[in-house]
Amino acid sequence: AQSVTQPDIHITVSEGASLELRCNYSYGATPYLFWYVQSPGQGLQLLLKYFSGDTLVQGIKGFEAEFKRSQSSFNLRKPSVHWSDAAEYFCAVGAGDMRFGAGTRLTVKP
Amino acid sequence: GAGVSQSPSNKVTEKGKDVELRCDPISGHTALYWYRQSLGQGLEFLIYFQGNSAPDKSGLPSDRFSAERTGGSVSTLTIQRTQQEDSAVYLCASSLEGLGYTFGSGTRLTVV
Repeated sequence: AQSVTQPDIHITVSEGASLELRCNYSYGATPYLFWYVQSPGQGLQLLLKYFSGDTLVQGIKGFEAEFKRSQSSFNLRKPSVHWSDAAEYFCAVGAGDMRFGAGTRLTVKP
Repeated sequence: GAGVSQSPSNKVTEKGKDVELRCDPISGHTALYWYRQSLGQGLEFLIYFQGNSAPDKSGLPSDRFSAERTGGSVSTLTIQRTQQEDSAVYLCASSLEGLGYTFGSGTRLTVV
């Protein structure tokens, strides 16, 4: 069965610092992978997705993620974090009944 | 419509009452999904509709939960005899062939 693990429940970074949020998945075939962001009081917004092809995918708001099949990972990165990036981030896997990780809450220090 | 619309946005109900939550997906989207997000938790899959196929109900937590999708468009999630543990935000999403979801803003259900 497909599943997603986000090992970090909460991460704090300073504004301007780089960011990496970890995501590991379990899936029986070539996975469809996604990252979503949920700002306080807001709905979920798709940041980026991977279906096939280039393993480094670019998303909105300056985010990127790299698919590593050998590590079953799809980590989200951003070179320089902005205060407005503070939110909950969810990794997801699947096509039909997509499964989400438990989320990583990002706090940005001034 | 332009996005996924859910109603009501907030619902407070007494324990034991039935509630209906509505989702109006993006026009033309073939797939529709319901998830539940409890406070501080991730998203829990509930049910998935794809076209005219039988829905995947594998995530429904009990037989008090049911959902239908009429005419391949609007969906209603019904919770019978609500319990306090049903309190959560219920999120609906739709997609075209399952390739990335568009979520609605959710219905916040509070059972008192």
